[in-house]
Amino acid sequence: KNQVEQSPQSLIILEGKNCTLQCNYTVSPFSNLRWYKQDTGRGPVSLTIMTFSENTKSNGRYTATLDADTKQSSLHITASQLSDSASYICVVRDNNAGNMLTFGGGTRLMVKP
Amino acid sequence: GAGVSQTPSNKVTEKGKYVELRCDPISGHTALYWYRQSLGQGPEFLIYFQGTGAADDSGLPNDRFFAVRPEGSVSTLKIQRTERGDSAVYLCASSPQAGGEQYFGPGTRLTVT
Repeated sequence: KNQVEQSPQSLIILEGKNCTLQCNYTVSPFSNLRWYKQDTGRGPVSLTIMTFSENTKSNGRYTATLDADTKQSSLHITASQLSDSASYICVVRDNNAGNMLTFGGGTRLMVKP
Repeated sequence: GAGVSQTPSNKVTEKGKYVELRCDPISGHTALYWYRQSLGQGPEFLIYFQGTGAADDSGLPNDRFFAVRPEGSVSTLKIQRTERGDSAVYLCASSPQAGGEQYFGPGTRLTVT
């Protein structure tokens, strides 16, 4: 069964600090991997998408990395802001399954002043 | 432009009752997805429509759950004989085409008492 595991489950950091969220997956064959940000009471919003051949992709203060050999991805947030407080969900698309996505459980990030 | 909208935003119902949850996708999006998200977890796939037809309903937990998209636009998720375990946020997403980026609605929070 395809799985996506994220760590840590929750994280508290001070405003201005950096943090890194981890995602391990077993989905194979792999199509792409997205990181979503989900604010409380809202639907997930895509931050980055990476295909097999991409190792890193940035979107402002968010930088995602992908190691397709070890099936690991990370999301690095630089100079955190209070508005970064949200759940961050790693989502992997299975090439075989077409449109099927496997979602991780998310990391709940809280940025404190 | 208008994003994916879902109504109602909150629904409280008694055990055993019937509920309908509505999703209005982004205009022109042919693919529509329903997910269920329990507290602290990532979304769980329920059903996927391509146009009017359910291309994949493998995620529906049992026959109490049913979804329709009669004109290839608005979709309704129907839950019969609700149970307390059905309490969750039901997310809808749409995509311009199969395999494309999914845009999520804000979700409907269903509480079964």
